[in-house]
Formats: sequence, C-alpha cells, structure tokens
Amino acid sequence: GAVVSQHPSRVICKSGTSVKIECRSLDFQATTMFWYRQFPKQSLMLMATSNEGSKATYEQGVEKDKFLINHASLTLSTLTVTSAHPEDSSFYICSARLQTGGAGGYTFGSGTRLTVV
Amino acid sequence: QKEVEQDPGPLSVPEGAIVSLNCTYSNSAFQYFMWYRQYSRKGPELLMYTYSSGNKEDGRFTAQVDKSSKYISLFIRDSQPSDSATYLCAMRSGNTPLVFGKGTRLSVIA
Repeated sequence: GAVVSQHPSRVICKSGTSVKIECRSLDFQATTMFWYRQFPKQSLMLMATSNEGSKATYEQGVEKDKFLINHASLTLSTLTVTSAHPEDSSFYICSARLQTGGAGGYTFGSGTRLTVV
Repeated sequence: QKEVEQDPGPLSVPEGAIVSLNCTYSNSAFQYFMWYRQYSRKGPELLMYTYSSGNKEDGRFTAQVDKSSKYISLFIRDSQPSDSATYLCAMRSGNTPLVFGKGTRLSVIA
C-alpha cells in the first residue's frame, strides 16, 4: 500500500530556532499534501494544503511566514517551523492524496512531535 | 456549531464487548466518510471508508452512514485490548481536505 515516510518522529529545539519536517511518498506520487497540527486530546487541524510546484494554501489563522511549506516534487513535501516558540509545540502530521484518488485515497505520515524549550 | 462533532470519551469497555462510536456533522455536502484509528503519538491509520449512505462491514468493524440524519457510526464487535486507541471520524466532499472529529479515546480492558 501507499506509504508516507515522515521524519523526524520527534524533535526538541530551542526557542527561536527553525525546524524542518519532511514527508516523502515512497511508492506513489503525491500531487497534494496536507499538513495538520494536533494538540493533546484535540483533533487534527488542517494547517495548509500544498500542490506540487505551486504555493501552499494556508488555513485561516495559520501564519504562512512562520510555517513554510515546500512541495517541490511529487514525492517530497517539507514543513519548516521558523523561529519556533513553546506555543508551537505540537504533533505535526502530513497526509498525501494519491493521484488515483478515490474515497480512501489519503494516507498519513507517522507524525512529528515537536517540543520547543 | 462545529462541522463535525464527536464525543471525546474516554470510553472504557470490557474485552469482548460491542463498541459503538458516533459522529454528527452539519455539512450536507460531505460524501466520503472515514474512520481512522490513532495510537498514541502515531499518525492515523484508515480503518473504514464509506461513500454516501449505507453500511460497510470489514471483519469485526461495521461502518454506518445516515446522510438524512447527518450521523455516522462505527461498531466494533468482540473488542480486544489491542483495539484500545483513539478513533477519529473524518469526512469530505470531492477532493477537499478531510475534516476530522475530535476523536474518541477507547480502552478495552482485559
């Protein structure tokens, strides 16, 4: 089945530094990648949608200059949290939409737990 | 009103029990309905998906969708301790992003 590899699984960084999270589709081409954030005991909240080769579309309230998304190829999308602060500590998950689509055509990465100290 | 409402639980049941999980939604445009299972600190994994109204069964899991009531359910028969996880309903229309419920934490006690 379709697999999305997400790295790192866990990262601790100092306040003010930047962190890059990568998601790679291993055996398929992901035309669209969704980035979600999940706080403890909360649901997944969509941050942005990125299509290969074009700028990401951010949800209301998500700072595009803080959360930089790059989707330069059909197999790689990255999320960079710039100048991270403790309130950015969260669980970040990517989700790829398969080109073939279909009702079940969305697959998730394993998530990245970011802790900003 | 949130687009998707889901009781967060927690829900605790004995091993072998039948579990019923539910979500309600407000957007009548939703056509695809999914249930995901998420273990602690892991990404969600797809359990079931249904298009439009109806039932779908897969092993011990049954998904039901009632579009007229804007209500979806997931039933787990003969629940096992390994079923202990958070269950998220999700839905969408067309190729739009998934909209998730809050998730229900389930514990199956041996």
